[in-house]
Amino acid sequence: NAGVTQTPKFQVLKTGQSMTLQCAQDMNHEYMSWYRQDPGMGLRLIHYSVGAGITDQGEVPNGYNVSRSTTEDFPLRLLSAAPSQTSVYFCASSTAGTGYGTEAFFGQGTRLTVV
Amino acid sequence: GQNIDQPTEMTATEGAIVQINCTYQTSGFNGLFWYQQHAGEAPTFLSYNVLDGLEEKGRFSSFLSRSKGYSYLLLKELQMKDSASYLCAAPLRDDKIIFGKGTRLHILP
Repeated sequence: NAGVTQTPKFQVLKTGQSMTLQCAQDMNHEYMSWYRQDPGMGLRLIHYSVGAGITDQGEVPNGYNVSRSTTEDFPLRLLSAAPSQTSVYFCASSTAGTGYGTEAFFGQGTRLTVV
Repeated sequence: GQNIDQPTEMTATEGAIVQINCTYQTSGFNGLFWYQQHAGEAPTFLSYNVLDGLEEKGRFSSFLSRSKGYSYLLLKELQMKDSASYLCAAPLRDDKIIFGKGTRLHILP
């Protein structure tokens, strides 16, 4: 099993460009989520999904869109990149939602720089 | 509001014991997670507590007191590979979650 796969690992964008961060899991997990991690800020939830066709906003959703057309894939779209979106992005999946105490498996992260 | 506090950095010696504290204020309670994150890597799951008391898992133990809004992670027989950040996290309603800012643990030989 590959677990949670994120692509790309590194990306440099110019302000105003758009892009999609890919996330795929092969564990048949229902719950998937996106986080950003900034120095001194910890992990912050951007968007999450409790199953195919269902998405919701987390703590910092502005400037990002998600969709969940299949159980396996949960792409994160940056609509118009801004320097404030420079961060490390992690995708994660688990068998159930956060309140069930199930272990989250994280992808290896995408380091995004917006210039 | 929702809030999690944990120390920013700690230093301990190889072979010793260290306790990393976490206090939380959340509306409702759905347990508490601990994750380990080595520099430049993804977080990995350590523990989840939903009942009061100590849960031991090898060299790592996690404690929870719901009445005090307090948890700690206890690491015994410290090894150099334990140098990492330790993240405390509390599930919220509607399948959301809040993480603390993490405690960076330095292990000295």
